[in-house]
Amino acid sequence: GENVEQHPSTLSVQEGDSAVIKCTYSDSASNYFPWYKQELGKRPQLIIDIRSNVGEKKDQRIAVTLNKTAKHFSLHITETQPEDSAVYFCAAPNTGNQFYFGTGTSLTVIP
Amino acid sequence: NAGVTQTPKFQVLKTGQSMTLQCAQDMNHNSMYWYRQDPGMGLRLIYYSASEGTTDKGEVPNGYNVSRLNKREFSLRLESAAPSQTSVYFCASSEEVSRFYNEQFFGPGTRLTVL
Repeated sequence: GENVEQHPSTLSVQEGDSAVIKCTYSDSASNYFPWYKQELGKRPQLIIDIRSNVGEKKDQRIAVTLNKTAKHFSLHITETQPEDSAVYFCAAPNTGNQFYFGTGTSLTVIP
Repeated sequence: NAGVTQTPKFQVLKTGQSMTLQCAQDMNHNSMYWYRQDPGMGLRLIYYSASEGTTDKGEVPNGYNVSRLNKREFSLRLESAAPSQTSVYFCASSEEVSRFYNEQFFGPGTRLTVL
């Protein structure tokens, strides 16, 4: 099955700085890569996703980049704000249509 | 439009007891999923139902059973609970099972403790 690795597991940044979270995957046939945000005690919610036919996608302060050759994709958050503090998960599908999630990155934005 | 709902929110069981976690969605989605979330482990798929009438095992199905009661409802049953099943359980739904595009909408979760 798919193997998704996510780094770092924890990340602290000063408010206004950028944050980058990276994921690698093993199944070369994977072609859709979502990122979920989970605030403390809440449910995961999709914040951005990318399909394999593009290399980058942006939505205001959030962007995702994909390198299919190297089999990795990254989440970039610019001008971080305290409300960005949460756990972020990446995911990738396998040939059986199952999604494998990364182990999560706990982001803390320090005011 | 409530989205995905789960009951109960919290549950404490003793080892060997059984219980059923309920999940319902009102988005007319075809596919539904059950995940468990443990510290440091991310979300792991237990079972999923691609459409009404079908169910399939996920990554960690042992000790669980599921029932897709109708298009709206998907339940998860623990027949004989074990401490290793202490976790937060999330139900999710999506329009369909697809590796091409598949935004999943999650329920609020059930925090289960097995003593």
